[in-house]
Amino acid sequence: QSVLTQPPSVSGAPGQRVTISCTGSSSNIGASSDVHWYQQLPGAAPKLLIYLNNNRPSGVPDRFSASKSGTSASLAITGLQAEDEADYYCQSYDSSLSGSHYVFGTGTKVTVL
Amino acid sequence: QVQLVQSGAEVKKPGASVKVSCKVSGYTLTELSMHWVRQAPGKGLEWMGGFDPEDGETIYAQKFQGRVTMTEDTSTDTAYMELSSLRSEDTAVYYCATEKGYDSSGSHIWFDPWGQGTLVTVSS
Repeated sequence: QSVLTQPPSVSGAPGQRVTISCTGSSSNIGASSDVHWYQQLPGAAPKLLIYLNNNRPSGVPDRFSASKSGTSASLAITGLQAEDEADYYCQSYDSSLSGSHYVFGTGTKVTVL
Repeated sequence: QVQLVQSGAEVKKPGASVKVSCKVSGYTLTELSMHWVRQAPGKGLEWMGGFDPEDGETIYAQKFQGRVTMTEDTSTDTAYMELSSLRSEDTAVYYCATEKGYDSSGSHIWFDPWGQGTLVTVSS
């Protein structure tokens, strides 16, 4: 059971802006753990999209941006394109009484209408 | 740049073990910290364990402790993940991924790149 909660799905028309939330708690995002985002195209392995809350690796379009505040983070896609149709996951680090480990969000499917 | 190539799909019976490999190129395995993540069909990503450079040991998610073993062969730059006592719920795609980031606390660590994935099917 994931400790980071994302909406199951979001959708938008081409050119529109969509946002995906990632809600954590005081043992992960709220404990100053950074948030990273991955894009998983159908049938492919996850690919790094955003690291350290708001940094884009080389080659990732600037249509993708992210932020973090308190116990939550969000990913925004502006100027939505057909090729953005994919699953998106946030990832952070959780330290609780049961131990410390890496955690992923529940995942969000982005549909381009 | 780092490239990770995993072994092919496996079909196993309940109770058996599976060993998935992850071959590194572009770097040597000693320069990297390897982790393993799995994804059940239609489900999300689940971290299984990985190398902790701070302790020099491999750490496992509590859920898999006692059932998973992650090893490395530095002579061939190949990492391995072995999962035992397989059950149908272990049917999933298993990914290797290298750790990136700074400091050793885990709070500033992400995974990049990832291997292409290995489908493990557990069925009688």
